[in-house]
Amino acid sequence: GAVVSQHPSRVICKSGTSVKIECRSLDFQATTMFWYRQFPKQSLMLMATSNEGSKATYEQGVEKDKFLINHASLTLSTLTVTSAHPEDSSFYICSANAGGTRELFGPGTRLTVL
Amino acid sequence: EDKVVQSPLSLVVHEGDTVTLNCSYEVTNFRSLLWYKQEKKAPTFLFMLTSSGIEKKSGRLSSILDKKELFSILNITATQTGDSAVYLCAVVGNTNAGKSTFGDGTTLTVKP
Repeated sequence: GAVVSQHPSRVICKSGTSVKIECRSLDFQATTMFWYRQFPKQSLMLMATSNEGSKATYEQGVEKDKFLINHASLTLSTLTVTSAHPEDSSFYICSANAGGTRELFGPGTRLTVL
Repeated sequence: EDKVVQSPLSLVVHEGDTVTLNCSYEVTNFRSLLWYKQEKKAPTFLFMLTSSGIEKKSGRLSSILDKKELFSILNITATQTGDSAVYLCAVVGNTNAGKSTFGDGTTLTVKP
């Protein structure tokens, strides 16, 4: 069945490095994927809408040069956190719509920046 | 701007109690309202509501939507410790590629 996967599930990196997170749709094609960030004890905050073959649409307050999104195919979107800092440590979740009105969520990626 | 407000923010009950979680919303061109349960990872889907007054039920959980009052409730009867989680409410409008707007969630703790 339709599933969204994310890789890696957990990453620890040093401050100043860049981290790439992959989001894949399995058994379906996704022209649109969404990237969320969730800080501890807070709700999901939409960061950006990833559009296949075109530029991502970023929510207000999200730096597009810091959070690079590439949606190169109908089954893959990537989020790159550039020059990560400790305040970027968070839980990053992607989602995609498999054709209904319900988003399918990936399992999330926990990023820790030391 | 779409908005979702959940209440209470947190709730502590004992096993066997019944709880009601609330979700009020404002959304442009309403499409659906969704409830999710989140434990340690990504949210897991519970219900999707699109029509007023029709109760959705799954085991001890049920939910209903009031599109006139822009409100939904999630009921959990005979709570168990495994129900302890954050319950998220989200709304989807017909604009913006179907993105969801989430509430802050209700943290439910069920004590033995």
